[in-house]
Amino acid sequence: AQTVTQSQPEMSVQEAETVTLSCTYDTSESDYYLFWYKQPPSRQMILVIRQEAYKQQNATENRFSVNFQKAAKSFSLKISDSQLGDAAMYFCAYRSSYGGSQGNLIFGKGTKLSVKP
Amino acid sequence: DAGVTQSPTHLIKTRGQQVTLRCSPKSGHDTVSWYQQALGQGPQFIFQYYEEEERQRGNFPDRFSGHQFPNYSSELNVNALLLGDSALYLCASSLSGLGQETQYFGPGTRLLVL
Repeated sequence: AQTVTQSQPEMSVQEAETVTLSCTYDTSESDYYLFWYKQPPSRQMILVIRQEAYKQQNATENRFSVNFQKAAKSFSLKISDSQLGDAAMYFCAYRSSYGGSQGNLIFGKGTKLSVKP
Repeated sequence: DAGVTQSPTHLIKTRGQQVTLRCSPKSGHDTVSWYQQALGQGPQFIFQYYEEEERQRGNFPDRFSGHQFPNYSSELNVNALLLGDSALYLCASSLSGLGQETQYFGPGTRLLVL
């Protein structure tokens, strides 16, 4: 079974600085998808960025980028120019590409990010 | 473009009661997944509905059941509530087919079982 591990329960960053959140996963599959979701105190889970395992190029969305290391099974999120609105819980998630597992997102336990003004 | 909506936002029940939670998917989406998020944890997959059928199920007891309607909206039913069922219940919608793997979440329903 696949697992997702986020080893940093809490992180803190100064406004305008850069922070990196870590995520590792375990799978025997070669094709899958990885996601970072943000959950602010309002509870709504918001998609930040996604990565297809077959793509070697790291995904980027404005200030958010990932470092995807397939061999190491690592998927870290870098937030540049941090803003107060970035403060939230961040969840790393895995989704298989195969058969009946397509619907199943597997989440890590999350990292709580605080942004200091 | 309407996003995923859920109702109610909060709910308080007592042990042994039954509860129904509702979800309307994002416009154009045909697949609905349900997740349970306990306090301080990541969401856990309950089940997924597509074409009005349960397509996949996580490790949850039969007390958890669901339904999908022809308009793609969905309900989650929980019978014989336990204290441990207290959690945030999230609905996510997606579009079936290759290249449509991203799930979009609703704001959730906070269930408290006393």
